[in-house]
Amino acid sequence: QVTLRESGPALVKPTQTLTLTCTFSGFSLTTSGMCVNWIRQPPGKALEWLARIDWDNDRFYSTSLRTRLTISKDTSKNQVVLTMTNMDPVDTATYYCARSGPVIRGVSDYWGQGTLVTVSS
Amino acid sequence: DIQMTQSPSSLSASVGDRVTITCRASQGISNHLAWFQQKPGKAPKSLIYGITSLQSGVPSRFSGGGSATDFTLTISSLQPEDFATYYCQQYNSYPLTFGGGTKVEIK
Repeated sequence: QVTLRESGPALVKPTQTLTLTCTFSGFSLTTSGMCVNWIRQPPGKALEWLARIDWDNDRFYSTSLRTRLTISKDTSKNQVVLTMTNMDPVDTATYYCARSGPVIRGVSDYWGQGTLVTVSS
Repeated sequence: DIQMTQSPSSLSASVGDRVTITCRASQGISNHLAWFQQKPGKAPKSLIYGITSLQSGVPSRFSGGGSATDFTLTISSLQPEDFATYYCQQYNSYPLTFGGGTKVEIK
């Protein structure tokens, strides 16, 4: 059974760095073709893809957020970490992690429940 | 980045209606088009990938079509559990991009 769960602070202040952790089970990020993505959704708005890390440590980022994002993995802990620097109120959103691959790497087939992050002073 | 434009942004329909949602890509994306369904307070659920392939467990009343830049999601007979917001997504190139969503409401 594949599961993913996001964890991190519910509230961050402007200019702070956000660190989110995705803890997963039911698959391994050492399996060829496996990937984990981060996607966010501001309240009442559309989905926005942020980043992806692959089994072989390839990484992909949103064009507009590339300079602020870092994605990394700890395969021994079955975790993927996303950091986002210089947080702003417009970054208030529900942040999801989701698995994709091994066949269709661009489509997330299992998602976490999401974690709401509010940016406010 | 490839822009994905959905229409309409919302629609009202009755149980049993046939519903079609349109998604247009700003450039050709081959067959790298997926659809997701999202209910309030829940994570998105993958419905379709590769334009037409249904994910396991997705009812056959859902179907996808189109090619190149223009795509559709059709629900042949709307059921009460289908009232939700639907998103298209391209995975032809990075960054991955989603459409703005189509909210399907009860008439």
